[in-house]
Amino acid sequence: GAGVSQSPSNKVTEKGKDVELRCDPISGHTALYWYRQSLGQGLEFLIYFQGNSAPDKSGLPSDRFSAERTGGSVSTLTIQRTQQEDSAVYLCASSWVGGTTDTQYFGPGTRLTVL
Amino acid sequence: DAKTTQPTSMDCAEGRAANLPCNHSTISGNEYVYWYRQIHSQGPQYIIHGLKNNETNEMASLIITEDRKSSTLILPHATLRDTAVYYCIVADNYGQNFVFGPGTRLSVLP
Repeated sequence: GAGVSQSPSNKVTEKGKDVELRCDPISGHTALYWYRQSLGQGLEFLIYFQGNSAPDKSGLPSDRFSAERTGGSVSTLTIQRTQQEDSAVYLCASSWVGGTTDTQYFGPGTRLTVL
Repeated sequence: DAKTTQPTSMDCAEGRAANLPCNHSTISGNEYVYWYRQIHSQGPQYIIHGLKNNETNEMASLIITEDRKSSTLILPHATLRDTAVYYCIVADNYGQNFVFGPGTRLSVLP
């Protein structure tokens, strides 16, 4: 596809379970970002991958959150031992770094509900 | 924390121009002004960006003041489909410093 895709679109899980969220960035984009958006709130930065550099993890809210990006393309965000406060829409964005600006293109998001 | 301040909400009549202001008084010389919008239940959508010159594309115009401390996004003929939250973001060349504030909720009224 032409845009950023994310799966699943919706995920309902029980408190304490682990979840994995997937992001397929736009082909050729070197940078990938994860954000989350709680109900009625703005976007909260979580983590940033750029090429082969070490990711910027400064936005991860706790050590239950981790992410990896395999082969410089697909990324997985993992939340271990989910809590109710983890309920949010998780958004992925990608961009091409190397030009004069870095415009991020967003996927549709994964809505996570922790019961 | 977001480097920008925007009004919480605005209304605009359908067919009229919507002018959305943004203050970014601490902007640095290498930082761009980006605008995104988020329609309910969708991911954010890129609208436009600029450094110091005014910019126009098929979606909107961006007017940046000469001192770069504020900008205005202009939707020339607002439609009902333009109802969304509009985010003004200031970020440098490599956007890992993107910070989305609460944005402006624009309601286009029939």
